[in-house]
Amino acid sequence: ETGVTQTPRHLVMGMTNKKSLKCEQHLGHNAMYWYKQSAKKPLELMFVYSLEERVENNSVPSRFSPECPNSSHLFLHLHTLQPEDSALYLCASSQDLKGRKNTEAFFGQGTRLTVV
Amino acid sequence: DAKTTQPPSMDCAEGRAANLPCNHSTISGNEYVYWYRQIHSQGPQYIIHGLKNNETNEMASLIITEDRKSSTLILPHATLRDTAVYYCIVRAPNSNSGYALNFGKGTSLLVTP
Repeated sequence: ETGVTQTPRHLVMGMTNKKSLKCEQHLGHNAMYWYKQSAKKPLELMFVYSLEERVENNSVPSRFSPECPNSSHLFLHLHTLQPEDSALYLCASSQDLKGRKNTEAFFGQGTRLTVV
Repeated sequence: DAKTTQPPSMDCAEGRAANLPCNHSTISGNEYVYWYRQIHSQGPQYIIHGLKNNETNEMASLIITEDRKSSTLILPHATLRDTAVYYCIVRAPNSNSGYALNFGKGTSLLVTP
């Protein structure tokens, strides 16, 4: 148990569906992240939120829409996805210490998404 | 962030020490070396990090060369549960984003009975 919980663990959705991935952290951190891991590819950073503001968006298609309503919750809203979007989606959190010593990031177990 | 180079795969016998190398020859003075691992189909797990001194915790030891151009992660007594992909990441403090980790391909460690 890492203190970062993702739901659902598995999701199958059609290309016309709308679904949301949820992430919740119980660590008191102020930064949260979405990563994507496709088969046999390195992890790709998608979005970064720090103090509930989006601070990084790595050229992610608009069919992925993040939401961070508070420092403990992060969502990834999905709509009109493509089969190539099938992947493991990982949420992480950390304490953002601007200009100070780094801290480690804690990851959830991920949501395995299959788009059919 | 400086680029890192790791061997794609390694084997280690159970109970023996696993020594995982990482090359980061372009590392700059304010960049830390981090190690994570990812067991199959799970989220990455933080292991250890360091700047220039050797570090040890309950999971592993991190040895950084004096010129900081390379490092070695040591699992002193590898178990079957240590089979995972190990990532070496170099990162500098960033005032604009929280904590962006650039994962590469890592080293796939197989611990055998």
